[in-house]
This record gives sequence, structure tokens and C-alpha cells, in this order.
Amino acid sequence: QVQLQESGPGLVKPSQTLSLTCTVSGGSISSGGYYWSWIRQHPGKGLEWIGYIYYSGSTYYNPSLKSRVTISVDTSKNQFSLKLSSVTAADTAVYYCARDGGILTGYDYWGQGTLVTVSS
Amino acid sequence: QAVVTQEPSLTVSPGGTVTLTCGSSTGAVTSGHYPYWFQQKPGQAPRTLIYDTSNKHSWTPARFSGSLLGGKAALTLSGAQPEDEAEYYCLLSYSGAFWVFGGGTKLTVL
Repeated sequence: QVQLQESGPGLVKPSQTLSLTCTVSGGSISSGGYYWSWIRQHPGKGLEWIGYIYYSGSTYYNPSLKSRVTISVDTSKNQFSLKLSSVTAADTAVYYCARDGGILTGYDYWGQGTLVTVSS
Repeated sequence: QAVVTQEPSLTVSPGGTVTLTCGSSTGAVTSGHYPYWFQQKPGQAPRTLIYDTSNKHSWTPARFSGSLLGGKAALTLSGAQPEDEAEYYCLLSYSGAFWVFGGGTKLTVL
């Protein structure tokens, strides 16, 4: 059973960089065919796709966030990470990591989500 | 950037049938948008119901089905149950480069 778990600071100051890590257990992040994704949800609002990294290292980002987002993978730790720079209060949200198997399996596993608040 | 539209809210009677739709500001939704449908209940992470227009996961109840209908992606619930009350989101791919969620539909079973 694959499990994903987000971790990182719950409070980030404005203008700083938000950094989150998703640890994958029960399966190898290096195995082919999966897009390791980040999605967020502002309080009481809908979902927003942030981006994903393919197992090969290719990245795809939401154009509206692209200038501030970096997604990377650490295969030795079976983790992938999100960095969002120059944050403002508008980046306060629950951040989810998820595995997307594309047309084969879709989004089949999600983390529980972690709330990140941007405030001084 | 493309805008994906969904009905803000819908109500269905227990045992009834309802169709949720997902449209795109760029034109008709096609299989090339690989439509996904998610269900989210309060305090929980989303759960995928449908991927690639009409494919179901092992956990997707048989009463849910996905299709393309009138230039939109559609999620049909046949035989609504009280536990189907939730927020439903669609997700569309644009040129395989990025994805956009719809604003969500709050489904009430009443």
C-alpha cells in the first residue's frame, strides 16, 4: 500500500520561501509512469493544481505560479519536494502531495494535506 | 489561462439521478483533456472517482460514471445515496503541459 506524507513548517513569513516535502512509502518514487504532484486548497475554497515532476525529472508547473515554484525529487530518500518563493498571505492553503498515474491509474494516492499559513 | 467551469451547487433526491458538468473557456472539452473527477468530503483529502473521461478506480461506486456530453465532461450519479453528499471537482489537461481544476460543485442529497 503506497502512502504519501507531507511535512514542513506550518508557518512561513511573507516574502520567504515555503518548503514542503512528501515522503513516499510502500513504493519507489523511481518506478516509471508516475507524476508526483502538488495541489493546494485555500481555506474554504477549491483545489489548485501547482505542478508535478515525472520520475525522469521533467517538471510541469501551473503557469500562474511558474515563476515561483520548484518541484524536485530525491530518489535516495524516496521523497519529492515543493518550494514556493516570495510567499504572501494568498499562499495560505492546505498543500497536498499526490501520485498521478496518468491515463493508467489517475490520481490514486494522496497525502492527508498540511496547512501552511503565511503570516508575520 | 483557461477557466474550467462547474455548477456551483446541485441537489438530488435520494435514489435520484444527477449530472455534473465541466466546461472549458477554450472550447469543447474532448478526450484530449483527459477529464478527471474527484470527490471531497469536509476535512478529507480529495478522492479520485473518474480518470481519463470514464475510467473508474476500484473504489469508485458503480453508480458513478463519466462521459463527454454536449462539449463538456460529465459525471453522472445514478441512484444517489446520502453518503454522496460532497464537493465534486473536475480537472482538465491543457496540451499535456498543465492542468486546471474546476471551481467545484457542492452536491446535496435531499
